[in-house]
Formats: sequence, structure tokens, C-alpha cells
Amino acid sequence: DTEVTQTPKHLVMGMTNKKSLKCEQHMGHRAMYWYKQKAKKPPELMFVYSYEKLSINESVPSRFSPECPNSSLLNLHLHALQPEDSALYLCASSQRDRDYNEQFFGPGTRLTVL
Amino acid sequence: EDQVTQSPEALRLQEGESSSLNCSYTVSGLRGLFWYRQDPGKGPEFLFTLYSAGEEKEKERLKATLTKKESFLHITAPKPEDSATYLCAVRGVMNRDDKIIFGKGTRLHILP
Repeated sequence: DTEVTQTPKHLVMGMTNKKSLKCEQHMGHRAMYWYKQKAKKPPELMFVYSYEKLSINESVPSRFSPECPNSSLLNLHLHALQPEDSALYLCASSQRDRDYNEQFFGPGTRLTVL
Repeated sequence: EDQVTQSPEALRLQEGESSSLNCSYTVSGLRGLFWYRQDPGKGPEFLFTLYSAGEEKEKERLKATLTKKESFLHITAPKPEDSATYLCAVRGVMNRDDKIIFGKGTRLHILP
């Protein structure tokens, strides 16, 4: 299995809703990432988990809450989002303990906040 | 500070018209330069990793090369299905936990 899966593919939510994005990989990768991508812009790093521990938080607002229940799963909990949070949310994973680690991306979740 | 600059921002080619995309980088000790292809509304698809100056890698109509300051993605006799945004990213020795720095991408459009 050489892919990263993400669910749901599309999500529409109101500003008062609580929802979660899910990411899964079975490549034995020990680093997992959340990115946010706006149209015609490159992916923007949000969080990095390394060996199931949060290692990088790029000053993301607290309305985004990441969780890594185990080495294969990564969640992003959403609460009280703003319309400007509408974007493509990408999950990625990579091996650790290697010098040059490629990141492999999932297909993304298209989020619309009304 | 590590930086990645891609040019051109957009490129339109006729089918079969070969060209090159450029990725210039400034990084404190390169630990990998990565090329990705991204179709609209989808996640980036990994293409190549280059580790050191002089290295080259090929896949179908694509060939990536690396010098100490830049990388080129050469596209030979492109087809309409090669239309996509091509992203370049680098990882430097100072980047924690495999963090990579992306360029803004080159939007490539191949006309039939």
C-alpha cells in the first residue's frame, strides 16, 4: 500500500459546526503533516507529527486541533471556523530516520465554510 | 532563510514543443530537492527527489536536473495530459522534522 487516504473528499460546514478530517497511511511512515492550500498557491504547512508527537505547529489558530491517535492515523478537528478557512486541506506522510525523506500527499479534503 | 523561486509562473506550449521549468533555491545545506505535479483540486503527486549537484532523474517525458543553485524540469514532446502545476520544494539541514519549503509553482498548459 503506497497511498495516503483522506476523508471526506468534500465538506461544507457552518461557522458553529464541529467536524473532523481524517487521514490514513499504511506505509509505515512515522511523520505526518497537515497542509492548507488556497487556490493558485503552494501548500502551507500547519502541523507536523513525528512519532505520534506534535513537533511543529506553525502558529495555527486554536479552532484547528490536530490529533494523532496512532502511527497510521491523523485527524484534524475543526470548530468555529471562519469563511476564510475555506481551502483544500492536504495530509502528507514521510519516513523518518532517513536523510532525504519524500513527502507523499493524499488527495485532499475540499472544505467550504459558510 | 531558505527560499525557493520558480519560473515562469505560467507556460503555454503546443503539443510536442519541448521546454524547461526552472527552480532556483537558497538553502543552508541541501538535503533534498523535490518535484511534484499537482492537478486542479487534487493533492500533489511526487515525481522526483534530487540529492546532489549533477544528479539527473527521468520519468517518461520528464527529466529533472540539479546544480548547486537551481533545478530544471525538462519536458520533452509534451502531451495535453502533461498540463498541471509543477511544484518544487527543498529541505535544508536546518529544517526540523522533514519540513520542506515550496516554491509557488509553474502552471503548465499544453495545447493540442
